[in-house]
Amino acid sequence: RKEVEQDPGPFNVPEGATVAFNCTYSNSASQSFFWYRQDCRKEPKLLMSVYSSGNEDGRFTAQLNRASQYISLLIRDSKLSDSATYLCVLSGDSSYKLIFGSGTRLLVRP
Amino acid sequence: EAGVAQSPRYKIIEKRQSVAFWCNPISGHATLYWYQQILGQGPKLLIQFQNNGVVDDSQLPKDRFSAERLKGVDSTLKIQPAKLEDSAVYLCASSHPGQSYEQYFGPGTRLTVT
Repeated sequence: RKEVEQDPGPFNVPEGATVAFNCTYSNSASQSFFWYRQDCRKEPKLLMSVYSSGNEDGRFTAQLNRASQYISLLIRDSKLSDSATYLCVLSGDSSYKLIFGSGTRLLVRP
Repeated sequence: EAGVAQSPRYKIIEKRQSVAFWCNPISGHATLYWYQQILGQGPKLLIQFQNNGVVDDSQLPKDRFSAERLKGVDSTLKIQPAKLEDSAVYLCASSHPGQSYEQYFGPGTRLTVT
């Protein structure tokens, strides 16, 4: 079983739509969770951290369910500029080591 | 603030040839990472340096890959000899110690092995 599993998509949604991605992980010892964003042929960039209590940053909401070992990312009012691949990331056994999922591709159409 | 610099941006080589990639991290970032990202997959850590010491190289194929960071700043990653399956984007990232979750990535080197 992969350490981090994501639906590869693509999710094809119209502008203004709400879209949600889930990510499951296998290592219950993982301590920290993040979402990174990667535009086509660009480098990954940190989008937001994911806290147990859930956290929001503008149109983006991230949630963590430790009991079920999954993380979610909700994007409200999708913009064309949100089109990218969203990488689910968590810390491994050592807090410094990040494990990246394969990413979920989002396409926002006019 | 200047970002992570990498060169070359693209490289095409034949199998069994050797290749080297260069990375210059963000100034003041003591931690440097090399990742391999195969098309359709997430980045996979190859090696991590703290200053000029290796912290983790457990996923580095040491029979053909080597990396160094002699003065604790720039780093080079070498592949010798290359195989077809080494075709990937090689990403360098850096971070402050203790803030490994926020890694700043360079633009990457896209390697094609024919």
